Amino acid sequence: GAVVSQHPSRVICKSGTSVKIECRSLDFQATTMFWYRQFPKQSLMLMATSNEGSKATYEQGVEKDKFLINHASLTLSTLTVTSAHPEDSSFYICSARARLTTTTDTQYFGPGTRLTVL
Amino acid sequence: ELKVEQNPLFLSMQEGKNYTIYCNYSTTSDRLYWYRQDPGKSLESLFVLLSNGAVKQEGRLMASLDTKARLSTLHITAAVHDLSATYFCAVVQSGYALNFGKGTSLLVTP
Repeated sequence: GAVVSQHPSRVICKSGTSVKIECRSLDFQATTMFWYRQFPKQSLMLMATSNEGSKATYEQGVEKDKFLINHASLTLSTLTVTSAHPEDSSFYICSARARLTTTTDTQYFGPGTRLTVL
Repeated sequence: ELKVEQNPLFLSMQEGKNYTIYCNYSTTSDRLYWYRQDPGKSLESLFVLLSNGAVKQEGRLMASLDTKARLSTLHITAAVHDLSATYFCAVVQSGYALNFGKGTSLLVTP
């Protein structure tokens, strides 16, 4: 099956610094990628939808100036957490949309990035 | 607003027993997904259900979809310890993003 990678898998940073997370589709082109956030023992919450070559669409309550998303190519989307604070500590998971047939598609999830802000 | 509700949220069951996890959703959707998540890991795709009456089986897990009732079930047959994990159902919302249920944390005990 299709593979989506994320880098780094784990990052610890000081409060006030910025962290960049990369999401790559390794063997397929993804016109759309999604960023989710998961707090401990909770479900995944959609943060934003990222379309190649255009601005990301953010969900209500997600600060676009804090969570910068760039989808520069059909295989790469990046999420930058700017001026991170301890409350941003979470598990960040990306997914990439892939077509199965002309009428159906699915999403493949990356392995996730665990961010800890001290 | 699309809402996805799973129940139960926690499930402890003995090996060898059968059980069903339910997933209700509030608005029409043309596909439903089931995922498995192990602690500290990302999501593993289990099933994609595309039409009313769809039934898929893989090993001890079987998923079904009733679009009229807006209900999907994940049935576990003769549970084994390896099935211990958290199971999420998810429904496509506008823009192809997924709206997840809260998850069912399953523990299979000897």
